[in-house]
Amino acid sequence: EVQLVQSGAEVKKPGESLRISCKGSGYSFTSYWITWVRQMPGKGLEWMGRIDPSDSYPNYSPSFRGHVTISADKSISTAYLQWSSLKASDTAIYYCARLRAVAGGGYFADYWGLGTLVTVSS
Amino acid sequence: QSVLTQPPSVSGAPGQRVTISCTGSSSNIGAAYDVHWYQQLPGTAPKLLIYGNSNRPSGVPDRFSGSKSGTSASLAITGLQAEDEADYYCQSYDSSLSGEVFGTGTRFTVL
Repeated sequence: EVQLVQSGAEVKKPGESLRISCKGSGYSFTSYWITWVRQMPGKGLEWMGRIDPSDSYPNYSPSFRGHVTISADKSISTAYLQWSSLKASDTAIYYCARLRAVAGGGYFADYWGLGTLVTVSS
Repeated sequence: QSVLTQPPSVSGAPGQRVTISCTGSSSNIGAAYDVHWYQQLPGTAPKLLIYGNSNRPSGVPDRFSGSKSGTSASLAITGLQAEDEADYYCQSYDSSLSGEVFGTGTRFTVL
């Protein structure tokens, strides 16, 4: 059974750093890209970026490039999303998902983690 | 800033049929990139509903169907049930952004 298990909820102060994780199991972790998706309170889904766990090559959405870092450790089948300096506007639920490639280009997310709630407040 | 536009809300009575539209442009849906749909029930993670414009993953009822034409796509739900109340999102690839994009999302309510 494919599973993506995300780390628990976090409460941080502005300016602090944070790394959240997403551990894959039940499939070959290096055979599928992983993506991170943000959902701010009461808002829609936003694609943040994706990473190829086989070589840790990331690809960022223009809106998030420079604001977060996506990485992966294939030895423990885990992907990460990290911030060096959090802002209150980073408060959101962050989902990881497994990506399947589309023959004509692009990907879709076939399995999702349950989400990690990140709250940034002074 | 989403490049795929959906109606903010749609509603229908039990047993009826509704459609949710997803309008894109020549750099995404109109460029022949596939459209995929997700269902997000209240308080839960999104779930893949339709992939490759019209394919249903195993376990998704055939009451859900997808189609695409030109720069738009549609999700149809027939035989509406109370359990279908959820937010629905379309998704595609955009060549100008060189990445995936979600639609603005549609909240579906059963009357």
